[in-house]
Amino acid sequence: EDKVVQSPLSLVVHEGDTVTLNCSYEVTNFRSLLWYKQEKKAPTFLFMLTSSGIEKKSGRLSSILDKKELFSILNITATQTGDSAIYLCAVGDYNQGGKLIFGQGTELSVKP
Amino acid sequence: EAGVAQSPRYKIIEKRQSVAFWCNPISGHATLYWYQQILGQGPKLLIQFQNNGVVDDSQLPKDRFSAERLKGVDSTLKIQPAKLEDSAVYLCASSLVASSGGLTDTQYFGPGTRLTVL
Repeated sequence: EDKVVQSPLSLVVHEGDTVTLNCSYEVTNFRSLLWYKQEKKAPTFLFMLTSSGIEKKSGRLSSILDKKELFSILNITATQTGDSAIYLCAVGDYNQGGKLIFGQGTELSVKP
Repeated sequence: EAGVAQSPRYKIIEKRQSVAFWCNPISGHATLYWYQQILGQGPKLLIQFQNNGVVDDSQLPKDRFSAERLKGVDSTLKIQPAKLEDSAVYLCASSLVASSGGLTDTQYFGPGTRLTVL
């Protein structure tokens, strides 16, 4: 059965810290890996990765995919209280017409 | 560009009652998804539409859940009758169908409907 596992499940840091969130997957027909940030309700799109070893960056956030070892990491540098959210990792299955398989999420709390 | 719209934002019902949720995707997005997100878990796909046709409803509890997208634009998800375990946030998402005929994986989510079943 396809699955996506994130770790840690929750994390508490202080402003200015750097955090690394992990996502490992076992998906038969891997197509892409996506990261979302979920505050309150709606997940908002952060990154989509399809190629191994190519880092995607957006401000203080960056992500990289390792297709050989079947994992991805999301890095957040110089964390701010506004980064507090649940970060979701999802994998797109090639044969499922765009279906995304989500991990359970990592709840990040950034303290002032 | 307007995002994915959903209503209502909150709904409280008693078990065995019926409830319906509405979703209007981003204009031009042919693919629409309904997800169920139980507290502490990631979203789980219930049903996926491509235009007005169902692509995947393998995880939809069809004895009580139904969904339609009659004109290939907005969609409704219904639960009848509701159970306590249906308490969750119901998220609607949409994605663009690439001109080559493939599907992009970037899904854009609506604000969700928080359902509480008492």
